[in-house]
Amino acid sequence: RKEVEQDPGPFNVPEGATVAFNCTYSNSASQSFFWYRQDCRKEPKLLMSVYSSGNEDGRFTAQLNRASQYISLLIRDSKLSDSATYLCVALIYNQGGKLIFGQGTELSVKP
Amino acid sequence: EAGVVQSPRYKIIEKKQPVAFWCNPISGHNTLYWYLQNLGQGPELLIRYENEEAVDDSQLPKDRFSAERLKGVDSTLKIQPAELGDSAVYLCASSLGPTGSGGINEQFFGPGTRLTVL
Repeated sequence: RKEVEQDPGPFNVPEGATVAFNCTYSNSASQSFFWYRQDCRKEPKLLMSVYSSGNEDGRFTAQLNRASQYISLLIRDSKLSDSATYLCVALIYNQGGKLIFGQGTELSVKP
Repeated sequence: EAGVVQSPRYKIIEKKQPVAFWCNPISGHNTLYWYLQNLGQGPELLIRYENEEAVDDSQLPKDRFSAERLKGVDSTLKIQPAELGDSAVYLCASSLGPTGSGGINEQFFGPGTRLTVL
């Protein structure tokens, strides 16, 4: 079993839709979490950190449930430019700050 | 400010040939990472450097892979000999310090080298 698992994709949604991505992690030593965005044939870029209290950045909302070892990302009012692969990432401090990436979920926003 | 630079961007070789990838991190970033990304998967860490010291190489297949960061700045990752299964994107990343120590220390990724082994 992978340490970080994500919903299989792709997600195909119309512009303006709300879409949610789910992610689970198995290593209880995971202490911080992030969502990265990766455009086709480009490098991953940090989208946002995920805090226990939940956090929002414009149209993006991230949630963390430590009891369930579950992370989510909600995108409201989807734009064509949101089309990308979204990577769920866990940071394991006791392994020297090692990032563990999920396999990614592809999002395609259509006009 | 320049980002992480990698070269070459693309490389096609025949199996059993050697190949090398080069990475120049963001200026001032002490921590450097090499990742492997297979198609449809997330990046997987191969090796992490703190300055010139390899502090985590547990995922590096040492029978054929080697890496160096002699002066604590740029780095080279080598595969010798390459196998068909090595076809992937090799990503380099850097951060000011180890991610998670004294702050998040975001990792910034380079554009990667796409390797095809025939």
